[in-house]
Amino acid sequence: AQSVAQPEDQVNVAEGNPLTVKCTYSVSGNPYLFWYVQYPNRGLQFLLKYITGDNLVKGSYGFEAEFNKSQTSFHLKKPSALVSDSALYFCAVRVSTGRRALTFGSGTRLQVQP
Amino acid sequence: EADIYQTPRYLVIGTGKKITLECSQTMGHDKMYWYQQDPGMELHLIHYSYGVNSTEKGDLSSESTVSRIRTEHFPLTLESARPSHTSQYLCASSGSLDREIYGYTFGSGTRLTVV
Repeated sequence: AQSVAQPEDQVNVAEGNPLTVKCTYSVSGNPYLFWYVQYPNRGLQFLLKYITGDNLVKGSYGFEAEFNKSQTSFHLKKPSALVSDSALYFCAVRVSTGRRALTFGSGTRLQVQP
Repeated sequence: EADIYQTPRYLVIGTGKKITLECSQTMGHDKMYWYQQDPGMELHLIHYSYGVNSTEKGDLSSESTVSRIRTEHFPLTLESARPSHTSQYLCASSGSLDREIYGYTFGSGTRLTVV
């Protein structure tokens, strides 16, 4: 089985401040982890992924995420938030072996205030 | 620039009608997926396909059906629409085993309203 938890429905941050969107996962084996962003009335856009190697991965639009195996977490971070970062963010996981589709978290709405 | 196309973007239809949501991709991906998403909520996998003539039901039970006769095309059909089917439907695709680690490419979605 595989699952993802995003414990915060919404994160509020002031423009220019650092942001963190939390994600924890559960898989039976090694994980492939992803972050996607969704703007209103749109599909999901890929931000970044962790497959193997360096625990800190960098992605689009200045976002990065840190894989922590002991805490089974993959938190999304950005050093300085922009108003345009306001959107819905989804964490997703799948086990690295076998034929499994991605399992998505419930999403976290990021609101960046000017 | 979308490489996966969903039509229509918006659909309002009466109860009992048959509808087909279209999804096509131009990337040659062998795997395709349908997710159902209520506005601003989590995504639930309802169908997936790992190749032509291969379809499986996802984690969320759905009254819809799918077909995969061509690699690029993965339509979803509701034989008799009901108000409980009102939702957003997202189509996605991914590449072959050694490339699927790059994750999915999503279409823009179809927002379905059944009245």
